[in-house]
Amino acid sequence: DVKVTQSSRYLVKRTGEKVFLECVQDMDHENMFWYRQDPGLGLRLIYFSYDVKMKEKGDIPEGYSVSREKKERFSLILESASTNQTSMYLCASRDGTGDHNEQFFGPGTRLTVL
Amino acid sequence: AQKVTQAQTEISVVEKEDVTLDCVYETRDTTYYLFWYKQPPSGELVFLIRRNSFDEQNEISGRYSWNFQKSTSSFNFTITASQVVDSAVYFCALPLNTNSGGSNYKLTFGKGTLLTVNP
Repeated sequence: DVKVTQSSRYLVKRTGEKVFLECVQDMDHENMFWYRQDPGLGLRLIYFSYDVKMKEKGDIPEGYSVSREKKERFSLILESASTNQTSMYLCASRDGTGDHNEQFFGPGTRLTVL
Repeated sequence: AQKVTQAQTEISVVEKEDVTLDCVYETRDTTYYLFWYKQPPSGELVFLIRRNSFDEQNEISGRYSWNFQKSTSSFNFTITASQVVDSAVYFCALPLNTNSGGSNYKLTFGKGTLLTVNP
């Protein structure tokens, strides 16, 4: 079974703090994703990584950066957290060798920025 | 443009009722896949099904069935004899090739339908 884990289920940070959200997958997947989920807005893609050190902006990258130094780990960084970044953050991974492969999701991190 | 529309924001049914969740999509691709995911209250999205645009046969898996109609760009999901455990948010999604090309696809999600099944 594919397992995608996220470092925290719940996180509370203060405005201006630097925040790291970590995601690890154990299936040697090439593709990894970070989404945020907000009521009424569904899932929105923040960043996507198609391989180690390779990344691509999603629909809402502003205020975020990412790091993928190892294939299994994809980090989302909030350089200076703001209250409008309070949200549920979901990580996913996918086998990038086939067009039709599904994404596997982690349990999510609910981030509150005070 | 690529778009997925789930017009039903919330649906509430009583246990054992049948319920259909609608999904309408737009794509310029001639061949494509469609996905459904379930997000229970625990929060983790779970993959339910993938369909190829070549295959318009209905798919049935236990109490779940999917009706794919290319002519109306719809991929609807029906739960027969609903149960309380079916309560979740359901998402329909359409892959989009990324700038990196190859087999690197990201998903365009609909906004989801919250299904509540009451005992």
